Amino acid sequence: KQEVTQIPAALSVPEGENLVLNCSFTDSAIYNLQWFRQDPGKGLTSLLLIQSSQREQTSGRLNASLDKSSGRSTLYIAASQPGDSATYLCAVNGDYKLSFGAGTTVTVRA
Amino acid sequence: GAGVSQSPSNKVTEKGKDVELRCDPISGHTALYWYRQSLGQGLEFLIYFQGNSAPDKSGLPSDRFSAERTGGSVSTLTIQRTQQEDSAVYLCASSSPLASGEQYFGPGTRLTVT
Repeated sequence: KQEVTQIPAALSVPEGENLVLNCSFTDSAIYNLQWFRQDPGKGLTSLLLIQSSQREQTSGRLNASLDKSSGRSTLYIAASQPGDSATYLCAVNGDYKLSFGAGTTVTVRA
Repeated sequence: GAGVSQSPSNKVTEKGKDVELRCDPISGHTALYWYRQSLGQGLEFLIYFQGNSAPDKSGLPSDRFSAERTGGSVSTLTIQRTQQEDSAVYLCASSSPLASGEQYFGPGTRLTVT
């Protein structure tokens, strides 16, 4: 069974600082990996999708890396803003269903 | 275009009652998923539909849970004889093989069993 761990569980930074969110998974036989954002009381917004053959994916201030052999992915958010405050979830797709980490709750202080 | 929609957004029911939750996927998406998000268990997979194939029901927690997908589009998740531990947010997602398997989620249905 795929186990997904996200560290840290919570993070508080001043505005402008770069964010580094970590995700690790136990089974490297994955199809792809998605990073999501979830605001309180809302659904999941897909941020980035990395295919198993890719090493990284970028969208604006967001960059995600994938090291499949070591079972790790990292989400980098550059120049954080208060609007980046949310919970970030990592999800691993081993066949078609997603296995989720518990999330990292980010607070960006103005 | 329109995203995944779910209804109702909130549902409060008494223990022992049956409930139906609806999901309308993105048009043209052949795959549909149900997940559950609860405080104690995090986000967990429930059931998966792909086209006309038999669904993968391996994540359903008990036989009180069932789901169907009519005409390859709208899906209904039914929970019979609800229990307090069924209280959670039920999320639906859809995907297309043309979009590299990226899953798009709806806003969820918050179910509270009193």
